[in-house]
Amino acid sequence: NAGVTQTPKFQVLKTGQSMTLQCAQDMNHNSMYWYRQDPGMGLRLIYYSASEGTTDKGEVPNGYNVSRLNKREFSLRLESAAPSQTSVYFCASTDKTYEQYFGPGTRLTVT
Amino acid sequence: GDSVTQMEGPVTLSEEAFLTINCTYTATGYPSLFWYVQYPGEGLQLLLKATKADDKGSNKGFEATYRKETTSFHLEKGSVQVSDSAVYFCALTPPGGSYDKVIFGPGTSLSVIP
Repeated sequence: NAGVTQTPKFQVLKTGQSMTLQCAQDMNHNSMYWYRQDPGMGLRLIYYSASEGTTDKGEVPNGYNVSRLNKREFSLRLESAAPSQTSVYFCASTDKTYEQYFGPGTRLTVT
Repeated sequence: GDSVTQMEGPVTLSEEAFLTINCTYTATGYPSLFWYVQYPGEGLQLLLKATKADDKGSNKGFEATYRKETTSFHLEKGSVQVSDSAVYFCALTPPGGSYDKVIFGPGTSLSVIP
């Protein structure tokens, strides 16, 4: 049981490049989330998916898109990366008690 | 709207000292309350939780009691260790649950020195 996995762990992009962050969970959770964590800002919700086939915007969705590929996988795409998107990105899933299970994070630098 | 406030950090303690990290919340009704811990270079993980008033959550020597009258959920540990050095996040989920409304506090960084 791996829990929540994320790839890649580290990434450096140039401004304007695109990339997709991958996330998968093996706990049969319906809901999945993408957060970004910045110094002094805590966790901010980018997008979430309450169930397979649905996605909704969170607090800071601009510049991102998501895909809930199936129940296990929830990807985050940056179409044209900007330095303001330099951050640590966390994927999470939740069970019916609303306890969140987090992945190890992706550390993204945009130059 | 719903919110979580935590004490400012960073907090630096000597090993075996007593720890309190304050957390207060604003929410209607009875939210579920959580403490998460983030060790360096890792994702957050649940430390403890409480789902109704007067409940006490506990894990790894940490405790927190859900106080409705003071809208608080302070984290305590009687004797901290170097391995407790981490960032601690208080969080809430509104009554009845809501997938887009898991609200995290800003986090409190704890450093424990030998």
